[in-house]
Amino acid sequence: DTGVSQDPRHKITKRGQNVTFRCDPISEHNRLYWYRQTLGQGPEFLTYFQNEAQLEKSRLLSDRFSAERPKGSFSTLEIQRTEQGDSAMYLCASTSLGVGETQYFGPGTRLLVL
Amino acid sequence: AQTVTQSQPEMSVQEAETVTLSCTYDTSESNYYLFWYKQPPSRQMILVIRQEAYKQQNATENRFSVNFQKAAKSFSLKISDSQLGDTAMYFCAFMFTQGGSEKLVFGKGTKLTVNP
Repeated sequence: DTGVSQDPRHKITKRGQNVTFRCDPISEHNRLYWYRQTLGQGPEFLTYFQNEAQLEKSRLLSDRFSAERPKGSFSTLEIQRTEQGDSAMYLCASTSLGVGETQYFGPGTRLLVL
Repeated sequence: AQTVTQSQPEMSVQEAETVTLSCTYDTSESNYYLFWYKQPPSRQMILVIRQEAYKQQNATENRFSVNFQKAAKSFSLKISDSQLGDTAMYFCAFMFTQGGSEKLVFGKGTKLTVNP
């Protein structure tokens, strides 16, 4: 299967700890997105990469959040000094260059901050 | 800013029947795409159907079809011959395509249950 993969699938951490999530997009996809989904809500955009360049960040992405995509392949999303409000599903999606292309989603990383 | 509204938090339908999920959106843009995604329980989000705003013809994919009313900014999803496997959260999403990231803006979702 060559779909979008995310690791870990579940993460439980204590408030104040740092966590890092990884996303491996579909191999030929240039664009990579991170979204956050809280219970009962639709996903909300966090940030976007085209190849290795981070081109857009949501105001939801506080300075405790940082994302990278070295070499334009996999991406990592790090949350420093986690807070209980960070508990959510973090979704990664990828797509090829082109107008209006379908985004393909990974299974997500579910974060619980105690 | 673009917004997407799904007014039906939950719906249910009997197996083999037809159900329609509602979605409205607000935008001043003329070039955009609309999507319906399905998120089964504890499984990943997958595309159901996609509509280009410049196309007047409604998109169809097997048992799934849309009613796209551009002037009314409405994009409803019709599921025919509902199956138990259609049980899922359904999200309507908007994509603005003029420059920028082409990020998706999602509604809050409709939880659909198909009953045997």
